[in-house]
Amino acid sequence: AQKVTQAQTEISVVEKEDVTLDCVYETRDTTYYLFWYKQPPSGELVFLIRRNSFDEQNEISGRYSWNFQKSTSSFNFTITASQVVDSAVYFCALSDNTDKLIFGTGTRLQVFP
Amino acid sequence: DSGVTQTPKHLITATGQRVTLRCSPRSGDLSVYWYQQSLDQGLQFLIHYYNGEERAKGNILERFSAQQFPDLHSELNLSSLELGDSALYFCASSVRVSPNNEQFFGPGTRLTVL
Repeated sequence: AQKVTQAQTEISVVEKEDVTLDCVYETRDTTYYLFWYKQPPSGELVFLIRRNSFDEQNEISGRYSWNFQKSTSSFNFTITASQVVDSAVYFCALSDNTDKLIFGTGTRLQVFP
Repeated sequence: DSGVTQTPKHLITATGQRVTLRCSPRSGDLSVYWYQQSLDQGLQFLIHYYNGEERAKGNILERFSAQQFPDLHSELNLSSLELGDSALYFCASSVRVSPNNEQFFGPGTRLTVL
């Protein structure tokens, strides 16, 4: 069965600290896709990144970076020099052959000034 | 703004009632997905339509039904509502069916059942 685990329920940091959000997934498929979404206090879900199972290259986008490791079934998300506007719930999700997204339970990040 | 629209934004109703949630996908997107976000169940996939046809069903109750119309907008019908149906209902759209495509989410409809 497919499953996504985000063990960190809530993380609090002070502005400018780096923070890593963990994501561990389970799937029997060899082809699958991993996603991160952000849900700010306003409630909408904002797409951040997609990664397929054949591409283990890490990705950096501004202050955001993602580390994909198939050996540990992890797809972790790091925010460098966090800002108050980064405060949100972050969801990791998995998509295999079934089109649907399987979400983790989310990690609430609070960045204090 | 993702380009996906959902109406209404908020809905308050009573147990036993029936409601209809509406979703318009991004221009050009043929796939529409419905998800439910509740405190106890988290974000759960309900159903997927592609170009008018049902493609996949998730944890959708029999009291719930959906359809996608020729103009590609979709409606989620919830009937015989119970307190536990209170949740945020999201619609998402993508260009095609492939799981490779990112899904763009609408702002959601918050349903409160009293």
